[in-house]
Amino acid sequence: GENVEQHPSTLSVQEGDSAVIKCTYSDSASNYFPWYKQELGKRPQLIIDIRSNVGEKKDQRIAVTLNKTAKHFSLHITETQPEDSAVYFCAATGKLSFGAGTTVTVRA
Amino acid sequence: SQTIHQWPATLVQPVGSPLSLECTVEGTSNPNLYWYRQAAGRGLQLLFYSVGIGQISSEVPQNLSASRPQDRQFILSSKKLLLSDSGFYLCAWKYGQGAGYGYTFGSGTRLTVV
Repeated sequence: GENVEQHPSTLSVQEGDSAVIKCTYSDSASNYFPWYKQELGKRPQLIIDIRSNVGEKKDQRIAVTLNKTAKHFSLHITETQPEDSAVYFCAATGKLSFGAGTTVTVRA
Repeated sequence: SQTIHQWPATLVQPVGSPLSLECTVEGTSNPNLYWYRQAAGRGLQLLFYSVGIGQISSEVPQNLSASRPQDRQFILSSKKLLLSDSGFYLCAWKYGQGAGYGYTFGSGTRLTVV
């Protein structure tokens, strides 16, 4: 089955700086790569996704890049704000398999 | 509109008691449905998924079972809960088709086994 690895497990950044989270996957047949944000005690919420026919996608301060050859994808958050503090999960399909999560803390 | 419902929101159960968590979706037919568990401070572990009525795939051998008695209903059960079953249980469904699909989660059930 799909194995997704996510790094780093924790990330602390100064407000206004950028944050980057990286994931690798094992199943070359995976073709959908979503990123979820989970605030304490709440359900994961989709923030951005990318499909295998696209190399990069951007939505305001959030961008995702995908390298299918190397089987890795990354989340980039620019101009971080305190409300970006949360746990972020990457995932990959066939079945939706998740990385272990990255706890992002934005220092004011 | 398409929505996913999950209940109860919180549950405290003694060790050895049974469990039944329910997830239903509205506004769609024949959805792919998933059960995940999230232990405190950890990631999401896929427990079961279902592509149709009566079709259940188990990802991790454990003290839990799942059933899909109706097209839009997915149930997670246990005959005897263990302390290690505590966690945040999330139901998810796959919406859309072709190049426009995605996944969304229910609001979750926080289970504490005491």
